[in-house]
Amino acid sequence: AQSVTQPDIHITVSEGASLELRCNYSYGATPYLFWYVQSPGQGLQLLLKYFSGDTLVQGIKGFEAEFKRSQSSFNLRKPSVHWSDAAEYFCAVGAGNDYKLSFGAGTTVTVRA
Amino acid sequence: EAQVTQNPRYLITVTGKKLTVTCSQNMNHEYMSWYRQDPGLGLRQIYYSMNVEVTDKGDVPEGYKVSRKEKRNFPLILESPSPNQTSLYFCASSGLGSTDTQYFGPGTRLTVL
Repeated sequence: AQSVTQPDIHITVSEGASLELRCNYSYGATPYLFWYVQSPGQGLQLLLKYFSGDTLVQGIKGFEAEFKRSQSSFNLRKPSVHWSDAAEYFCAVGAGNDYKLSFGAGTTVTVRA
Repeated sequence: EAQVTQNPRYLITVTGKKLTVTCSQNMNHEYMSWYRQDPGLGLRQIYYSMNVEVTDKGDVPEGYKVSRKEKRNFPLILESPSPNQTSLYFCASSGLGSTDTQYFGPGTRLTVL
């Protein structure tokens, strides 16, 4: 069975600073990997996804993530955060045709002025 | 507009009073799923459906029922709610292609007293 670990429960970052959120997955085959964002009181919005091919994936809102098979990681990055990036971020792994997503516990990002 | 809708968005009820949370999608998706979100646990799958009249248990199905009589609708039924079912619930849908991604509804916050 697949699983996801997000080691950081809460991260505080200054506006304009860079952000990196860690995600480690466990899955026996090539995983399908996702990052979702949940703004306060909102549903989940897909930021980006990785299925195959180029290991550096570009997403919406200036985010990118890099798949590293050797480290079983799929870390999310943004070069310069905006106050509107304050939210909870979830990494998820899927197993392709079984469609089930396994989510990490989430990382809450606080942006300080 | 392509969307997944859930109703109600907020619900406070009492132990043992049957309730139904509706979910509807307008994207003609075959796959639909229910998740619950709890602090520190991320999202966990309750039930899913691959098509009309086809449903299966996810990771935390106890205390829940679902039905899939029509392709667009996937209601979640709590026959006898208990306080440990107080949670934030999300419905999601997707196509059956191996690279299809799940679209999430806005969430239903349920409190069981």
